[in-house]
Amino acid sequence: QSVLTQPPSVSGAPGQRVTISCTGGSSDIGARYDVHWYQQLPGTAPKLLIFGNNNRPSGVPDRFSGSKSGTSASLAITGLQAEDEADYYCQSYDSRLSGYVFGTGTKVSVL
Amino acid sequence: QVQLQQWGAGLLKPSETLSLTCAVYGGSFNGFYWSWIRQTPGGGLEWIGETNHGGSANYNPSLMSRVSISVDTSKKQFSLRLTSVTAADTAIYYCAKVDLGNWFDPWGQGTLVSVSS
Repeated sequence: QSVLTQPPSVSGAPGQRVTISCTGGSSDIGARYDVHWYQQLPGTAPKLLIFGNNNRPSGVPDRFSGSKSGTSASLAITGLQAEDEADYYCQSYDSRLSGYVFGTGTKVSVL
Repeated sequence: QVQLQQWGAGLLKPSETLSLTCAVYGGSFNGFYWSWIRQTPGGGLEWIGETNHGGSANYNPSLMSRVSISVDTSKKQFSLRLTSVTAADTAIYYCAKVDLGNWFDPWGQGTLVSVSS
């Protein structure tokens, strides 16, 4: 029941920069609700990567950054590393649902 | 540092009731909401619902008729019940703390629930 749209996959060579988009609508991202990002390594639970649009929890490398504008948000990974191969999900709040919504997920591959 | 440990039955037959419990270790239980989230075999994440320490719960409208989330403050645990399960409820179920800015951190380890006759 994802209502935030992400590209299914992105890829890049080690050291490159990749971005993942997260597109919502007027009742979620466009309603000024914050966007958060999660990284999910294979076989593990999602882990908070970015909170409040552009803040990194302690321990998250500064290679990861977030931004938000209008009804969309983006996650950027600079200096891509092999350990960044994972699934990434955005998340926000939806006022129509009166609950939380997730993105469709993006698989990042390091070539 | 808050840690979540969850458990419950992993194999159900259609029409049975799913029951999972999540225990909170470390940190404060009061003052926060505690959520259940599931991840389908295709990878999509779906928020199921949440409760606070006082038992005030909110649910995803798509599941509201079948779901209930309860809390035991004395044990720092919260539980999920989902009735009349079908194969469509097969998923990995996670518990998570809802931080004050409406993000989920941390998450439990996940429980795979399979529904099959």
